[in-house]
Amino acid sequence: DAGVIQSPRHEVTEMGQEVTLRCKPISGHDYLFWYRQTMMRGLELLIYFNNNVPIDDSGMPEDRFSAKMPNASFSTLKIQPSEPRDSAVYFCASSFRQGAFFGQGTRLTVV
Amino acid sequence: AQTVTQSQPEMSVQEAETVTLSCTYDTSESDYYLFWYKQPPSRQMILVIRQEAYKQQNATENRFSVNFQKAAKSFSLKISDSQLGDAAMYFCAYRSAVRTASKLTFGTGTRLQVTL
Repeated sequence: DAGVIQSPRHEVTEMGQEVTLRCKPISGHDYLFWYRQTMMRGLELLIYFNNNVPIDDSGMPEDRFSAKMPNASFSTLKIQPSEPRDSAVYFCASSFRQGAFFGQGTRLTVV
Repeated sequence: AQTVTQSQPEMSVQEAETVTLSCTYDTSESDYYLFWYKQPPSRQMILVIRQEAYKQQNATENRFSVNFQKAAKSFSLKISDSQLGDAAMYFCAYRSAVRTASKLTFGTGTRLQVTL
């Protein structure tokens, strides 16, 4: 298995633009997590899905953030409009039981 | 809500020596899982070791082992025969065994430096 695949690996965008991050979980996994990592706040759970259904989105910082999981093999995290304070590394992770396996992350820079 | 605390922001160990990283957690649940993740400079999050709360035996993976003290809610990671490649951030994590509340909660991390 190729593991969790995230795209793009790096994204630089201007403030106010829409940003879409993509994730392909490991086949057969029924949980998918979106995390954000910054030096100041560490690893923050934004939202997680179980069987494509959002379970807890209390970590989504604002209405500018939205996430979808239209099927078991794909999820997106969208920021619209983006702001400089959204600059961070965004991780997607998936699991079936117990521990989660992470993608390599997307480093987002909003200028 | 469950919380995970790593009280050591930074640790240092000499190559070939042993180091122990501390982690405590707070929960009212009896069934859960605990993990240690490693994040090297490449920023990839790597699952190092896992422990099921219902198992009394401490988990071991090669040079990595844990000391799980359920009553004390403590879950430390021991790295034996430290290698330069062990230098990384280490995160302790908690996950409920309740399928409907199964998010993964992380501590703030411990940065491990390995010296010659």
